[in-house]
Parts: sequence; structure tokens; C-alpha cells
Amino acid sequence: NAGVTQTPKFRILKIGQSMTLQCTQDMNHNYMYWYRQDPGMGLKLIYYSVGAGITDKGEVPNGYNVSRSTTEDFPLRLELAAPSQTSVYFCASSYWGETQYFGPGTRLLVL
Amino acid sequence: KNEVEQSPQNLTAQEGEFITINCSYSVGISALHWLQQHPGGGIVSLFMLSSGKKKHGRLIATINIQEKHSSLHITASHPRDSAVYICAVTNYNTDKLIFGTGTRLQVFP
Repeated sequence: NAGVTQTPKFRILKIGQSMTLQCTQDMNHNYMYWYRQDPGMGLKLIYYSVGAGITDKGEVPNGYNVSRSTTEDFPLRLELAAPSQTSVYFCASSYWGETQYFGPGTRLLVL
Repeated sequence: KNEVEQSPQNLTAQEGEFITINCSYSVGISALHWLQQHPGGGIVSLFMLSSGKKKHGRLIATINIQEKHSSLHITASHPRDSAVYICAVTNYNTDKLIFGTGTRLQVFP
């Protein structure tokens, strides 16, 4: 099993550009999450999903959108990139609310 | 004040030393998690516990629900244990994780 995979690993965006961060898991987990990690700060929940077709906001959802059309995939969309969105983004999945398995992260720089 | 506080923020040790990292929380929880983040950035879940004590190899995690406190112990530390250790709690009401800011551990040979 590949576990949780994320693409891309690193991206530079200009202010105002948009992009989609991809996340896929092959463990048949029903729960999936997107977090951001800023230097010196704890991970913050952006959005989460408890199953295909169901998504909900986390602590810091502004500027992001998600969709969950399949169990495996949970893409995160940035519509109008801002410097404040410079961060490392982690996707995670779990079976119900049990142990979370994290992807390798996507480092995003907005200039 | 953060809902999950860790101490110390930074820790250095000599190989072989016994290490303790502490975590205190101020919300009602259904579980507490210890995670490890390596210098490359990947995050791995070490423990999930709701009471008592768990052991895996040289790692031991304990939790005291009444005192809202948990400790992560590393016995016979090794340079490969160098990483950031993150405490997180599952909020009992929201079912979401709240993370501490992490403890950076460096173990020197």
C-alpha cells in the first residue's frame, strides 16, 4: 500500500494564481483531513471529510475549497493565492476518528 | 493560552539518556496522540491513548486524565530519535484534533 500520497511536493505560486493540491489514500479510510503547518505553530485543520460527498470546515478554511467525490481522493483548491497561504500542507486519513496517517506534505510558496 | 501546551520546546541529549517530553491540555478529550515529525517533514503517529500507559519499543506514553497531562518517554535515546515530537488531543465535543507546537529533540552521539 502506498498509504497517503500528495502532489506536488513543492510549488511556487504568484499572488492571485490558483492551484489544486492533490491527496489520495489507498487504505479505504472514510475520514480525510487537510492541515497547514506554519513555522513555530501547531498544525491547523483547514477542511475535513467523513466520507464521499461530505465535507466540513476546520479551524482555518478561508481561501480554500475542497471536494470529496470518491473515498480515495480529497483535493484542496486555492483560488486566489495570497502570501499568507505560504505554508506546508499535510493531508491525512483515518478509519473513523482513529489513528491518522499523514501524507509527505506539500510545500507552497506564494510570492 | 494554547489549548495544548508542550514542554520543553527544545531538548538536547547525549546518546543513551532517558528523555521525557510533557504535554498539558485544557479541553475535554476523547484521546491523546503523540506524533513524530522527522527532519524531512514526514509525520508519523506514535501513540493514541485515552488512559493509562502504552509502550512500543523504547517509547512509552502515559496519560493522567484527572491532571490533563501526558508524558512521552524515550529510553536509551539514539541519534535517530532526533525529530520533532508533537502532542495532539481529540476534542471530545468536536472530534477534531488540536495540536501542540512540538518539542524539537536532538540526540548527539
